[in-house]
Amino acid sequence: DQQVKQNSPSLSVQEGRISILNCDYTNSMFDYFLWYKKYPAEGPTFLISISSIKDKNEDGRFTVFLNKSAKHLSLHIVPSQPGDSAVYFCAALSGGSGNTGKLIFGQGTTLQVKP
Amino acid sequence: EAEVAQSPRYKITEKSQAVAFWCDPISGHATLYWYRQILGQGPELLVQFQDESVVDDSQLPKDRFSAERLKGVDSTLKIQPAELGDSAMYLCASRSDALGQYFGPGTRLTVT
Repeated sequence: DQQVKQNSPSLSVQEGRISILNCDYTNSMFDYFLWYKKYPAEGPTFLISISSIKDKNEDGRFTVFLNKSAKHLSLHIVPSQPGDSAVYFCAALSGGSGNTGKLIFGQGTTLQVKP
Repeated sequence: EAEVAQSPRYKITEKSQAVAFWCDPISGHATLYWYRQILGQGPELLVQFQDESVVDDSQLPKDRFSAERLKGVDSTLKIQPAELGDSAMYLCASRSDALGQYFGPGTRLTVT
């Protein structure tokens, strides 16, 4: 049972435009949601997070939106840059932010930003 | 900037052989995780340590996989015997009290 789903395996965007990556989840008890970026042959890098009590969090070019009623979140990258080309993973924190919490990842979306 | 270290970066082994991966978390991080990532999928948690104790190993195939963190610092993940389906990226991550987990570069395992 896939609790966190990223239904788009890939996305291609022109440089300077907006990239929107989507994520759906099934468990309403998740406390936090996180986005990670992964380059080939490297481990995932933490990008941005959002608490389940908020609906928006912004950090520079990156904004995450959370719609709890729809169990949906999205990552917006504006403006997109070629260096943003990577695999993006959505993850949900289960079990609280304490030491027993664990991350459940989506399948990932490969973003390609064309110059 | 402190990083999670993993070795080896790449490992090719024949099925039925034993293989081991090593992870050194960021200094002071009490929580350590081992994940397996199959191509085209997201990382899947295998085992979670809090200091030297296992917190969660519910997804660890215990008939062939073992993990230890004897002194609560670095950790070893072992597979014996390896099977073709074990080919994947094995990722180690650590966390302090903050929310985000910091990942190492991973070990790419190929079982032939």
